[in-house]
Amino acid sequence: GAGVSQSPRYKVAKRGQDVALRCDPISGHVSLFWYQQALGQGPEFLTYFQNEAQLDKSGLPSDRFFAERPEGSVSTLKIQRTQQEDSAVYLCASSPIRYEQYFGPGTRLTVT
Amino acid sequence: KNEVEQSPQNLTAQEGEFITINCSYSVGISALHWLQQHPGGGIVSLFMLSSGKKKHGRLIATINIQEKHSSLHITASHPRDSAVYICAVFTGNQFYFGTGTSLTVIP
Repeated sequence: GAGVSQSPRYKVAKRGQDVALRCDPISGHVSLFWYQQALGQGPEFLTYFQNEAQLDKSGLPSDRFFAERPEGSVSTLKIQRTQQEDSAVYLCASSPIRYEQYFGPGTRLTVT
Repeated sequence: KNEVEQSPQNLTAQEGEFITINCSYSVGISALHWLQQHPGGGIVSLFMLSSGKKKHGRLIATINIQEKHSSLHITASHPRDSAVYICAVFTGNQFYFGTGTSLTVIP
């Protein structure tokens, strides 16, 4: 069916607020990746799931960042106590096999 | 340190010109991707390469594994080609992305 979808597309949060970003991958895709893209930069890896298992979270910048994919499909990236440096586009990608990537449109987070 | 370097960072071309964007990487890879990102953030995969050359319409991508280098060529460029082009490599464990080349094609 449809491609990868993300919601919300835009989020403005006051510093200190918690936010939750959602990713709906392509149905049947085993792998799911989260990336953070700062303005003018390429995406930076945050975390990777294979089904419901979070196999790599080495890119999460701090313990304020948490991601889950409890049923192996939809994933949520949660950022607690947002800071201004968290402002970025958060991209989700899913794939049927690891070396392919199908990207969502991203969520632009602005922390004021 | 950047595992993936792209050049140029910015490129302006006249419609119809032949365009080349270069990507060099420093890690061992199992695949290299060329991605296109339009304003608004959406990313589209153009090519996935592990060797040789691929062509799709006016786009051509080449890779030299020994030299750790890839190029993306656009023939007969058009204003709708204006976008950021990102090179990404997959090491077997992780993706690394270049910072992108911002292309503007002027009518």
